[in-house]
Amino acid sequence: EDQVTQSPEALRLQEGESSSLNCSYTVSGLRGLFWYRQDPGKGPEFLFTLYSAGEEKEKERLKATLTKKESFLHITAPKPEDSATYLCAVYGGTSYGKLTFGQGTILTVHP
Amino acid sequence: GAVVSQHPSWVICKSGTSVKIECRSLDFQATTMFWYRQFPKQSLMLMATSNEGSKATYEQGVEKDKFLINHASLTLSTLTVTSAHPEDSSFYICSAPRLGSYNEQFFGPGTRLTVL
Repeated sequence: EDQVTQSPEALRLQEGESSSLNCSYTVSGLRGLFWYRQDPGKGPEFLFTLYSAGEEKEKERLKATLTKKESFLHITAPKPEDSATYLCAVYGGTSYGKLTFGQGTILTVHP
Repeated sequence: GAVVSQHPSWVICKSGTSVKIECRSLDFQATTMFWYRQFPKQSLMLMATSNEGSKATYEQGVEKDKFLINHASLTLSTLTVTSAHPEDSSFYICSAPRLGSYNEQFFGPGTRLTVL
């Protein structure tokens, strides 16, 4: 059974204070690891898909990295508008595209 | 980027009634769509996989007779919550992978269902 654990559950940062979110996973034959951003009352917004260990992707102040056991979402010099819940999800070789989500990290960036 | 819409965005109904939620992929085709449920301050839980032209497959513990899924075309899937009860109140979200690629999955904006 695929499992995803995210930490911390909640993270409070000052504007400009860089940090990282962690996503640990176990999956049979990783096909893809996804990062999404979710604002309250809205559906998840796609950020990145990572496929293999060592892969990195960037988008504005966000950078996602992947190892064989975990992924990190690095946030550089965050702004208040980066406040949201960040979700990590995986799908494996036998899941036919079905995603298993972690519990999410609630990020709050104070001005 | 790919767009997935849901209708309605919110609905309030009386206990015992049925509610239909639509999920549409607006600018791409999807033979498969996924339906999730999200309770407050919790993550997304997969309910079922909607397959165009065939029966939906349900996750363990999800009642297929209560949550009816129909995938009528390559751009439309519907979820009907039958005989809704207050415990069915939740945020229902669909996702659609772009045709031929599970590596790009796009979510709809969600539907807030409140059963009185």
